[in-house]
Amino acid sequence: QKEVEQNSGPLSVPEGAIASLNCTYSDRGSQSFFWYRQYSGKSPELIMFIYSNGDKEDGRFTAQLNKASQYVSLLIRDSQPSDSATYLCAVNRMGYSTLTFGKGTMLLVSP
Amino acid sequence: GAVVSQHPSWVICKSGTSVKIECRSLDFQATTMFWYRQFPKQSLMLMATSNEGSKATYEQGVEKDKFLINHASLTLSTLTVTSAHPEDSSFYICSALRQGASTDTQYFGPGTRLTVL
Repeated sequence: QKEVEQNSGPLSVPEGAIASLNCTYSDRGSQSFFWYRQYSGKSPELIMFIYSNGDKEDGRFTAQLNKASQYVSLLIRDSQPSDSATYLCAVNRMGYSTLTFGKGTMLLVSP
Repeated sequence: GAVVSQHPSWVICKSGTSVKIECRSLDFQATTMFWYRQFPKQSLMLMATSNEGSKATYEQGVEKDKFLINHASLTLSTLTVTSAHPEDSSFYICSALRQGASTDTQYFGPGTRLTVL
């Protein structure tokens, strides 16, 4: 069973702080790693993806990947109340287009 | 970013009727699209993978005769819920696979909320 694990939360941070969202995966054949944001009642929205070890930055978001530890994280700098949502970690296996999703971490940013 | 649309955004129907949901990739061609279902407070559940010009691949436990999928063009996939019943009420979300130089990425449509009375 290929699994993607996330802490369900909620993770509560004050406005302006850094939110750190974590994800572990069990399949060493995983190739690409995606972070999606899902607001309540809405569909997932792609934030960013990463496929090489290290950090990848996009605006206030930084994805970090450590394949040896089978760990991927998403940092959100200067968190805003509008960042309050469920963040989904998803991975795909080399040669496959289907994604395995974690159950998501709920982030709450308080003003 | 890539744009994927769904129509309708919500639908209410009577038990026993069929409902068709359309998923379109508006600014890229998608040979592969996916259909998901999500119940309240639950995770996304992949129902099927739709490939242009061929039969869809259904996940275990999903009835292919109840959830008919057609992917007739590179920008359109449809999901028809046949003989809908109240237990089919859910949030149906499609995604389209955009091929990229480094990785292929799924972009989601806005979803269709189905209520079966």
